Amino acid sequence: SAVISQKPSRDICQRGTSLTIQCQVDSQVTMMFWYRQQPGQSLTLIATANQGSEATYESGFVIDKFPISRPNLTFSTLTVSNMSPEDSSIYLCSVKQGAWETQYFGPGTRLLVL
Amino acid sequence: DAKTTQPTSMDCAEGRAANLPCNHSTISGNEYVYWYRQIHSQGPQYIIHGLKNNETNEMASLIITEDRKSSTLILPHATLRDTAVYYCIVRVALGAGSSNTGKLIFGQGTTLQVKP
Repeated sequence: SAVISQKPSRDICQRGTSLTIQCQVDSQVTMMFWYRQQPGQSLTLIATANQGSEATYESGFVIDKFPISRPNLTFSTLTVSNMSPEDSSIYLCSVKQGAWETQYFGPGTRLLVL
Repeated sequence: DAKTTQPTSMDCAEGRAANLPCNHSTISGNEYVYWYRQIHSQGPQYIIHGLKNNETNEMASLIITEDRKSSTLILPHATLRDTAVYYCIVRVALGAGSSNTGKLIFGQGTTLQVKP
């Protein structure tokens, strides 16, 4: 399975600021996904990021708030913009790999917004 | 993608088999059943998936009913480290390069507590 790393692993930020989360994969993958997990909740898909094209956002998520970059087949970033305490969550990167396109997840970035 | 229904929580004694049920009565013919688990403070971990035949790997067994409307994940000898939230998800499994994302949509899952 793919080895996925995320940076930072956690951060505490002030409201109104922005944070960029990095996701690095040890192999080339076509699709990368970004999820959010609010405290005590399940995972919610934010967007799908393909290399060379604009990310596709799920209902309730917009590019201005969560801009995504996908510069190559092993890397992606998610920015949480103009943060508020409601953005406090775990943000997870995920990729598809293998003949069955199984999804694998990174360890997550824990974000606390004060 | 079809919706799944799982019990909110379950307990299991250490060393015993843990049987986690999942209902997916609206599953389509091209949708697979996937199981993931999330141990506290970690990213979800892939466990197993199947279409209609029973599947087994080093982590677990997956039993799918003949009508495919339900399935059971079996952890044959549960340990304390198996305490986690277990997610049953149905998703179209696609060939590499397909333009359809076949997204994983998570429900609330089953919190399995393995007790000594």
